[in-house]
Amino acid sequence: EAGVAQSPRYKIIEKRQSVAFWCNPISGHATLYWYQQILGQGPKLLIQFQNNGVVDDSQLPKDRFSAERLKGVDSTLKIQPAKLEDSAVYLCASSMPPGELFFGEGSRLTVL
Amino acid sequence: AQSVTQPDIHITVSEGASLELRCNYSYGATPYLFWYVQSPGQGLQLLLKYFSGDTLVQGIKGFEAEFKRSQSSFNLRKPSVHWSDAAEYFCAVRHTGTASKLTFGTGTRLQVTL
Repeated sequence: EAGVAQSPRYKIIEKRQSVAFWCNPISGHATLYWYQQILGQGPKLLIQFQNNGVVDDSQLPKDRFSAERLKGVDSTLKIQPAKLEDSAVYLCASSMPPGELFFGEGSRLTVL
Repeated sequence: AQSVTQPDIHITVSEGASLELRCNYSYGATPYLFWYVQSPGQGLQLLLKYFSGDTLVQGIKGFEAEFKRSQSSFNLRKPSVHWSDAAEYFCAVRHTGTASKLTFGTGTRLQVTL
């Protein structure tokens, strides 16, 4: 069974530029999550989708971050404009509740 | 609000020695608890989980964890550590209901000396 796919794995941008990350969940998983993991910290949930609807985006900085999950499958997370403090690993995960979350390898963002 | 505390930021053990990583949680109802491991540059891999029933749960790679409600703890143990166990370990609690997100602790970095 294929796992959660994410791209790109690494991205370096200047502050105030924009960036987008893509996630393809495990086939059939209705729930998709985006987590932000800053170096030395545990992952923090940014947004949770159930099919193509948002369940929780309470910790998403909506002035600069946006996410969508068209057709309830793939998802894109966008940052515009990026700030230095956005440097982190962005982890995508999917699940079929009430089961466990399966994580992708992450997209590492460096903002200079 | 739900929270997870991992009091040890960094632990060093010798290969072959036993290991215990601490995790304390704060949650109003019966928690669903998880331990994940993250190797450098990799995503998170599930080691084990507790939903209900037997409070001692077995996981992959020889790990086990014990749920103690009276102490609000879910400590991870391994009787004999291997050098390949060096990684970051995260404890997490899952919220019940429609918002089934995980809340993670800050992690414990395990270093194994030969």
